Formats: sequence, structure tokens, C-alpha cells
Amino acid sequence: ETGVTQSPTHLIKTRGQQVTLRCSSQSGHNTVSWYQQALGQGPQFIFQYYREEENGRGNFPPRFSGLQFPNYSSELNVNALELDDSALYLCASSLDRESYGYTFGSGTRLTVV
Amino acid sequence: AQSVTQLDSQVPVFEEAPVELRCNYSSSVSVYLFWYVQYPNQGLQLLLKYLSGSTLVKGINGFEAEFNKSQTSFHLRKPSVHISDTAEYFCAVTLDNYGQNFVFGPGTRLSVLP
Repeated sequence: ETGVTQSPTHLIKTRGQQVTLRCSSQSGHNTVSWYQQALGQGPQFIFQYYREEENGRGNFPPRFSGLQFPNYSSELNVNALELDDSALYLCASSLDRESYGYTFGSGTRLTVV
Repeated sequence: AQSVTQLDSQVPVFEEAPVELRCNYSSSVSVYLFWYVQYPNQGLQLLLKYLSGSTLVKGINGFEAEFNKSQTSFHLRKPSVHISDTAEYFCAVTLDNYGQNFVFGPGTRLSVLP
């Protein structure tokens, strides 16, 4: 049973708009990572937050940004949406950046039209 | 940098037959290895992981995987599949240091036929 909750489950946005996706991490997990999974592909690492600071970033432009809050929740913000941003966005949390202890959420399906 | 190859994009197999899903990785340093399953319209569920120790790892739902360092492989096996095993399977690696992110393979679609 996953302890990571993501909202909303589905979202439709128009090209050029901004979107915020939310993740509630497993209790006590101070590390959160976000992944983008395009249709038919494996997840791609976007960035990681540890104790409310960005701790690593994949090959994504600055219009992808995030926040992590003291209550173990986090956000992924995407500005100036493009059609290629349509994907499943996954959040994963762990304790103290343990590479082997991540728990994934069920994801948010974003469709950009 | 690490990379993960899953040689088969699709694997059809009949119910109750054995299956092997192949995974190879490249890394110059020690890694942790994982297999995740994704059912339609759902997130990722951990099947099993290799961190250290015995190279044969047993996971949930009757799956197991064997780590072969010389061949840099981590193939997933199940002796008898069920219809409910139909899903997408992802192999992933991380470096065995704190703060590392997952590198996923492109996935293998397992279709179990009646």
C-alpha cells in the first residue's frame, strides 16, 4: 500500500497555460523526486528536493520548477505548457535521500491541448 | 552515466508458461537494481530490488531476478504467469550513494494470453 498521494489524478490544460501538481509524501520522508513518463516510455527524472531545497535536476528546462514544504508535501509547477508536456507525472519519496527506499505515487495524468 | 536497456519491448506468453524479461545496464560504479510493474493507468509498484548479498532476489507475486555482475544483467523471471500479470515492467538502477535518482529502462510490455 503506497503512502504517497498525488493530486489531481487527471488534468487537461491548454498550451501556454501554467499547471501545479501536488504530492503528499509518506510520513517522515524528507526527500521527494519527480519524474515525467511520456506515453510508451520509461519515467525520466525531473528533479529532487531534500529538506526543502533542490538537490539534483535532470535534463528539463527551467519552466519546470518545484517546491517542498515542511509537512512532507511538494509541488511540481510547469509554466508555458507545451504539447510535449503531456505525460504521467510521478512523485516518489524517501527518507534522507536513501536511493533504495523510494515509494512512488500513482501519478497525475496531464494532457495539454 | 548509467543507462538501462530492456531488449524486448513486448513479450507475449501463454498463461501458466514461464517468462523472462531481460534487463542490461551500464555503469562504471556499483548500482542498486530494481524492477517495477505498472498496471494500466496506474503508478509504479516495486516488484523487487537488489542492493547487495545474494544475487538471486525474490519479490512479490512470484517474481524473482538474478543479478549477474559480469554480464551487467538483472533479468526478471516467473515460472508460471497469470492473466493478471499483464502489465508494463520497468527495470531501473540507481547509484549506491545517497541522493541518486532512478534511471529507468524503456519498459517491456508483458501480455499473458489465455
